[in-house]
Amino acid sequence: AQTVTQSQPEMSVQEAETVTLSCTYDTSESDYYLFWYKQPPSRQMILVIRQEAYKQQNATENRFSVNFQKAAKSFSLKISDSQLGDAAMYFCAYRGMYSGGGADGLTFGKGTHLIIQP
Amino acid sequence: NAGVMQNPRHLVRRRGQEARLRCSPMKGHSHVYWYRQLPEEGLKFMVYLQKENIIDESGMPKERFSAEFPKEGPSILRIQQVVRGDSAAYFCASSPPNRRQETQYFGPGTRLLVL
Repeated sequence: AQTVTQSQPEMSVQEAETVTLSCTYDTSESDYYLFWYKQPPSRQMILVIRQEAYKQQNATENRFSVNFQKAAKSFSLKISDSQLGDAAMYFCAYRGMYSGGGADGLTFGKGTHLIIQP
Repeated sequence: NAGVMQNPRHLVRRRGQEARLRCSPMKGHSHVYWYRQLPEEGLKFMVYLQKENIIDESGMPKERFSAEFPKEGPSILRIQQVVRGDSAAYFCASSPPNRRQETQYFGPGTRLLVL
């Protein structure tokens, strides 16, 4: 079974600074998808960024970018120019290419609580 | 384009009662997924449905939990004879048809509290 590990329960960063959230995963598949979701205090799950494993280029969405290291099974999220509105729980998630046995659902890490210091 | 809708947003039940959670997918989406989030935890996959079909229910507890996605109307997650341990946030997500690799978009969740 796939597992997703987020080793940082909490991170703190000064407003306008850059922060990196780490995520590692374990899988035997060669093709899969990785996601970062944000959960603000409203608890709505919001997609931040996604990465296809077959793409070597790291995904980027405005101030958010990832460092995808397939061999190391690492998928970190970098937030540049941090803003107060970035404060939230951040969840890393994995989805494989195959069906059944729970593989259709996303496998989530336990999350990292990001605090933005004004 | 309306997002994924869930209702109710908050639900309080006493032990032994039934809880019914509803999810309307985004327009054009025919795949629905249900997840449960316990306090201080990430989301855990429960079940994946397409219209009138349960595709993968490997994450559903064997007893008291059921899900459906009828031809017309929202998807329903039903919990019978609720217990305190069922207190959690339940999220629904949807994705487009025939595109298994597509992103799942989440609703706002239903917070279930069992007294």
